[in-house]
Amino acid sequence: DTGVSQDPRHKITKRGQNVTFRCDPISEHNRLYWYRQTLGQGPEFLTYFQNEAQLEKSRLLSDRFSAERPKGSFSTLEIQRTEQGDSAMYLCASSAALSAALTLLSYEQYFGPGTRLTVT
Amino acid sequence: AQTVTQSQPEMSVQEAETVTLSCTYDTSENNYYLFWYKQPPSRQMILVIRQEAYKQQNATENRFSVNFQKAAKSFSLKISDSQLGDTAMYFCAGGSYQLTFGKGTKLSVIP
Repeated sequence: DTGVSQDPRHKITKRGQNVTFRCDPISEHNRLYWYRQTLGQGPEFLTYFQNEAQLEKSRLLSDRFSAERPKGSFSTLEIQRTEQGDSAMYLCASSAALSAALTLLSYEQYFGPGTRLTVT
Repeated sequence: AQTVTQSQPEMSVQEAETVTLSCTYDTSENNYYLFWYKQPPSRQMILVIRQEAYKQQNATENRFSVNFQKAAKSFSLKISDSQLGDTAMYFCAGGSYQLTFGKGTKLSVIP
């Protein structure tokens, strides 16, 4: 069983450029989450998907951010016109499909290694 | 709305001793879950232990246990027989789908 993977692991870009990150969840998981973590802070929720549907977006997700999960498997997070304030670790997590009994397992989120973005 | 507060930015413990990390939370949700995650230096977030808010019984996973006080909105983590590999940032988190994290406690285990 492979865990959540993210690509690239590191990205350095110049202000104003667009960047795209990819996340591959654990294969049987139907929920996928994006978080942002800045230095010295805990992760902050950005958005999440159930299958292909994007169900919730944080107010942190400005118009320059867009996330997709077109086939309900991998997801991409794109940041347009990057700013220095976008420098952070972008974390992806996934959780298992709902069971009929809505067990706790459905809410456990497993994280990938993250993509560290540096905007110069 | 949900908030998670970890009041101890840093802690240290001698190897083989016991340490308790504090966490308080506030939520308007009726159905929520609480988690402790561990983030070793330059490594990914690992789920340590979970607790269903509607269960009274405290969760235990090997050397890790929680003290869940629902009325006080407290969810502390106890690590027994501390090992050098326990050195990490520990984050308390709560929610259902959208997790809210605390700012973390940096734990150092001293040989």
